[in-house]
Amino acid sequence: DIQMTQSPSSLSASVGDRVIVTCRASQGIRNDLGWFQQKPGKAPQRLIFAASTLQSGVPSRFSGSGSGTEFTLTISSLQPEDFATYYCLQHNSYPWTFGRGTKVEIK
Amino acid sequence: EVQMVESGGGLVKPGGSLRLSCGASGFPFSIYSMNWVRQAPGKGLEWVSSISSTSTYIYYADSVKGRFTISRDNAKNSLFLQMNSLRAEDTGLYFCSRGIMDYWGQGILVTVSS
Repeated sequence: DIQMTQSPSSLSASVGDRVIVTCRASQGIRNDLGWFQQKPGKAPQRLIFAASTLQSGVPSRFSGSGSGTEFTLTISSLQPEDFATYYCLQHNSYPWTFGRGTKVEIK
Repeated sequence: EVQMVESGGGLVKPGGSLRLSCGASGFPFSIYSMNWVRQAPGKGLEWVSSISSTSTYIYYADSVKGRFTISRDNAKNSLFLQMNSLRAEDTGLYFCSRGIMDYWGQGILVTVSS
């Protein structure tokens, strides 16, 4: 099984900060990776697919990069509505696996 | 508008069974693979099972293999999850999702407790 190591598990940041979340795959997954945002009590929403393609309707301050085993989600200028938990998902091979999540909190 | 609505959750005793349903609308259901994902209270997301568009390919997480069965009815735009031999650790919010998880339902709560 492919393990996804996501870091950090949590972070505190201010509005306007640049935020970077990282996922490392235990083996190469090409670009078969998505990033999701989840707010309390809500279903997750996909932000990025194919590692770097922005989902329609998602603000351009979100971006993804990486291929193979190292991936990053960047929020260029954190907005109040971005405080949430973020997850990566590899869908290169079954079982699909999520990272353990990164909770972005207000500093 | 793409919509998916889960139903069938509730409280069940350990060892019991439940059948979850996910009704889909707003897209050609029969051409998409579908998934179940769950989330234990206060925990992260866990992929549970996937089924291809024509039910040819089916996959399960080891944690549910042999106990859960995914199925679909393309004529009724519906996805199902039959859950047997339920355990306390199966408690959580269960989501259906489309394809590579571009759309999700709102989730349905399953509680396994005596």
